[in-house]
Amino acid sequence: SQQGEEDPQALSIQEGENATMNCSYKTSINNLQWYRQNSGRGLVHLILIRSNEREKHSGRLRVTLDTSKKSSSLLITASRAADTASYFCATPNFGNEKLTFGTGTRLTIIP
Amino acid sequence: NAGVTQTPKFQVLKTGQSMTLQCAQDMNHEYMSWYRQDPGMGLRLIHYSVGAGITDQGEVPNGYNVSRSTTEDFPLRLLSAAPSQTSVYFCASSHPWGGGEQYFGPGTRLTVT
Repeated sequence: SQQGEEDPQALSIQEGENATMNCSYKTSINNLQWYRQNSGRGLVHLILIRSNEREKHSGRLRVTLDTSKKSSSLLITASRAADTASYFCATPNFGNEKLTFGTGTRLTIIP
Repeated sequence: NAGVTQTPKFQVLKTGQSMTLQCAQDMNHEYMSWYRQDPGMGLRLIHYSVGAGITDQGEVPNGYNVSRSTTEDFPLRLLSAAPSQTSVYFCASSHPWGGGEQYFGPGTRLTVT
């Protein structure tokens, strides 16, 4: 069963615009992670936010975490064509031994 | 560092055949795992290992077997391939535990006819 669910499933925006995608999860977590997957490639880790953090930045990425709503958002500012990819959220299970991934948001940047 | 490597990149099998997907990492990570990725279903955990000699089942282990004799290698065996095992398989490693940042291999695209 999926722990995380991304929303929307697909998103198309013009280059230069900001892209926001959301992740909801079901159980308590100690961290939440975001990954990017370019077509035909493996996943690449983008950012990890711990449960006691509310916001984290990395370059053009901003991640927020609301543990009361069990949700997170990933904002990509000033999008570029190279940002075209699928984005997944992932959370560890209770024993912190396994990561569970959501079904992903497919982001398309239109030049 | 090569990171996480997987071989082969592509494979076609007939139903009933067996094969081993290879995974190796050179980062001295204790934790390694195998996922399969199917359209619309995200990644699902098949098996994982928290160290040499220790393996455990994930969400979808049936039809697959693993072993971990060294820190570096974590092969995935398909015992008797079925069309339902057509998928893209990813190996990942992390340190020091499975709930942290994962490093993924490039994947193996498997088709079972």
